Amino acid sequence: GQQLNQSPQSMFIQEGEDVSMNCTSSSIFNTWLWYKQDPGEGPVLLIALYKAGELTSNGRLTAQFGITRKDSFLNISASIPSDVGIYFCAGRLVQGGSEKLVFGKGTKLTVNP
Amino acid sequence: DTGVSQDPRHKITKRGQNVTFRCDPISEHNRLYWYRQTLGQGPEFLTYFQNEAQLEKSRLLSDRFSAERPKGSFSTLEIQRTEQGDSAMYLCASSLRGNSYEQYFGPGTRLTVT
Repeated sequence: GQQLNQSPQSMFIQEGEDVSMNCTSSSIFNTWLWYKQDPGEGPVLLIALYKAGELTSNGRLTAQFGITRKDSFLNISASIPSDVGIYFCAGRLVQGGSEKLVFGKGTKLTVNP
Repeated sequence: DTGVSQDPRHKITKRGQNVTFRCDPISEHNRLYWYRQTLGQGPEFLTYFQNEAQLEKSRLLSDRFSAERPKGSFSTLEIQRTEQGDSAMYLCASSLRGNSYEQYFGPGTRLTVT
């Protein structure tokens, strides 16, 4: 099936540092979304991207939709302890008219105070 | 709270038993999705409804799984003759047609099959 390669798998950073994570795929997506999930909870939508090249911010979060439509990145600036969690990228495929989202395996973020 | 709700939050069952989960979407959302998530993985799509019509099903949805959305509002996911491999978090999401790419998730139902 379709795969999203998300990296890094985990990150350990100090409070105040900036963070960058990305997703790549061999397939073309027409929508990219970034979610954050806390333990035992459902994913929470952070940012949605709809156009190739689009750069969107949500507070300290910035995400970009790659020009090739096969990748996206998420940056978090000035990290704080509550940024701890697992960040997932998700894409909606172009072909087949599917409405499903394909998810990466997540980036686990740990922020040391 | 007007978000997606799921019930129960946790379910422990013995192998071979049937279980049913419920999802209540955001009230004005007409699309509803079910996903399954295992440890260390992202959510995997199972099926989705637009109003009461089930429009897409994954090959992950074996014949032991059935989902319904009889009145186009809440949905149920039933697993018959549960197996240990069914242990996972079952997530429900909803979206609004026209802006359907933004799916909002509920807190999930954690199923443990012993």
